[in-house]
Amino acid sequence: DVKVTQSSRYLVKRTGEKVFLECVQDMDHENMFWYRQDPGLGLRLIYFSYDVKMKEKGDIPEGYSVSREKKERFSLILESASTNQTSMYLCASSSLTDTQYFGPGTRLTVL
Amino acid sequence: GENVEQHPSTLSVQEGDSAVIKCTYSDSASNYFPWYKQELGKRPQLIIDIRSNVGEKKDQRIAVTLNKTAKHFSLHITETQPEDSAVYFCAGNGAGSYQLTFGKGTKLSVIP
Repeated sequence: DVKVTQSSRYLVKRTGEKVFLECVQDMDHENMFWYRQDPGLGLRLIYFSYDVKMKEKGDIPEGYSVSREKKERFSLILESASTNQTSMYLCASSSLTDTQYFGPGTRLTVL
Repeated sequence: GENVEQHPSTLSVQEGDSAVIKCTYSDSASNYFPWYKQELGKRPQLIIDIRSNVGEKKDQRIAVTLNKTAKHFSLHITETQPEDSAVYFCAGNGAGSYQLTFGKGTKLSVIP
């Protein structure tokens, strides 16, 4: 059974803080993804990675960066959090067969 | 890149009736179309998917149809039950990549 975990379910940060969101998968998947989910906008891809130390920009990468030092771990970094980054963040992973498996999500509030 | 549009945004049906959600995609090279169900407060979970080499796939009360010529695909849920109430997302993989582009979601409410 695929397991994707995220470091926090809820997080409250202040404007300007550096924020780290971490995602871990235990299925040896090559691909990992970070999405943000906002009401009425669906799931929007921020960044993805298809291998260790490799990253690709998604549709909305501005204000975010990522790190993938190990195959099982993919981190999303908000260098200087802003209120418009208040959202639900979802991590996902997949093997080469395309099916993406999601983590439980982190609800981030930036005050 | 791929663009996926999903309709309707909300759908209410009586328990026992059928529900249909439709999606269109723009990239003719897309070859993988999954459907996810997201219950309130939970993660999206894959319920069914279809690849471009088939036109229809069924799993109990759920079916998905794909029309490659028209570039649209649909989710059909028969004999709906209250536990089918959730937000449903369609997606396409655009140029056969690993990346998925999602529709904006359909909130399905099944009224007992």
